[in-house]
Amino acid sequence: KAGVTQTPRYLIKTRGQQVTLSCSPISGHRSVSWYQQTPGQGLQFLFEYFSETQRNKGNFPGRFSGRQFSNSRSEMNVSTLELGDSALYLCASSLWDRENYGYTFGSGTRLTVV
Amino acid sequence: AQSVTQLGSHVSVSEGALVLLRCNYSSSVPPYLFWYVQYPNQGLQLLLKYTTGATLVKGINGFEAEFKKSETSFHLTKPSAHMSDAAEYFCAVKYSGAGSYQLTFGKGTKLSVIP
Repeated sequence: KAGVTQTPRYLIKTRGQQVTLSCSPISGHRSVSWYQQTPGQGLQFLFEYFSETQRNKGNFPGRFSGRQFSNSRSEMNVSTLELGDSALYLCASSLWDRENYGYTFGSGTRLTVV
Repeated sequence: AQSVTQLGSHVSVSEGALVLLRCNYSSSVPPYLFWYVQYPNQGLQLLLKYTTGATLVKGINGFEAEFKKSETSFHLTKPSAHMSDAAEYFCAVKYSGAGSYQLTFGKGTKLSVIP
């Protein structure tokens, strides 16, 4: 059974550009969440999608957006990149959007903004 | 707001020694608790989770954790450390009934295993 697949693994962008990251959840999983990991702030919740609907959003500026497609694949977009957006972006999927379900994480996309 | 505190950003143990990683949470409602491990340049791997029922939870790779409501703790233990256990460990909480399903993570504890 394939795990959570995130593409690309590494990305270098210039300040001011925009970027789109992709996440393919485990087959059959309908809930997808995104997290940002930095050395200073640790793991922070970005947003969660379930059946193409955004269920929850973390405390990030509007430059961060996302969506989920009918096949549960998800993308997140960051516009007008800033140096502080450099981070590991992790996607996680879950079978249902219930509290007692754990998430399976992908290997992440390492974004470097120069 | 919910929060998770992991005591000790870095823990060192000798190979074969007991591993104890501490996690305390703040909550006025029953939480769902998780431990994840992260190896360098990789994502997070679920070690174990507590939802309901037995308070002693066994996970993968010989790890276990005990949910203690009175102490609001969910410490992770392993009787005998192995070199392959060197990684960063994250405690996380997901609350019930709050209409919110995100995980709130602790800052992480980096475990070093000394040969």
